[in-house]
Amino acid sequence: AQRVTQPEKLLSVFKGAPVELKCNYSYSGSPELFWYVQYSRQRLQLLLRHISRESIKGFTADLNKGETSFHLKKPFAQEEDSAMYYCALKRSGYSTLTFGKGTMLLVSP
Amino acid sequence: GAGVSQSPSNKVTEKGKDVELRCDPISGHTALYWYRQRLGQGLEFLIYFQGNSAPDKSGLPSDRFSAERTGESVSTLTIQRTQQEDSAVYLCASSLDDYGYTFGSGTRLTVV
Repeated sequence: AQRVTQPEKLLSVFKGAPVELKCNYSYSGSPELFWYVQYSRQRLQLLLRHISRESIKGFTADLNKGETSFHLKKPFAQEEDSAMYYCALKRSGYSTLTFGKGTMLLVSP
Repeated sequence: GAGVSQSPSNKVTEKGKDVELRCDPISGHTALYWYRQRLGQGLEFLIYFQGNSAPDKSGLPSDRFSAERTGESVSTLTIQRTQQEDSAVYLCASSLDDYGYTFGSGTRLTVV
């Protein structure tokens, strides 16, 4: 069965510092990977997906099939980046997502 | 509507009672998903509806859980004979394609 692992429950950094939120997955097929974010008192929302190869709010993520990882990175963290981040995997031929347990990012001034 | 609407936002129920949770998806979104999030856990898939196809019920944890959807509109998730382990936030999402869900704000269910 597929699995998504986010090894850090909490990541605390200072404003301006680089950020890397880790995501590893296990899946024998060709996956599609997503990052979702939930800001305080807001709904869970899509941040980015690997297939788009886009940068959203300064965040990027590259799918590394060799290491089965999809880490989320930002070179300079901002206080408004503080939120809960979830990595999710979609199996080939399926529409449902498998989510990791999430990482809380706290950016301090 | 403008977004995915869920009701109620909070529900406290006594153990053994039945509850109904409602989800109103974005108009035109053919796919609708229910997930559960227990405290400190990730989102757990429950059930998926796609148009008029038979739903994917593979995530329902027991036969106490059921869900319905009329066409491409409102869905209700029913939990019968609630147990304390059913306490969680129940999230609904809808999508038009495979490339991103729009989530509702969830229903926080507390079974006492």
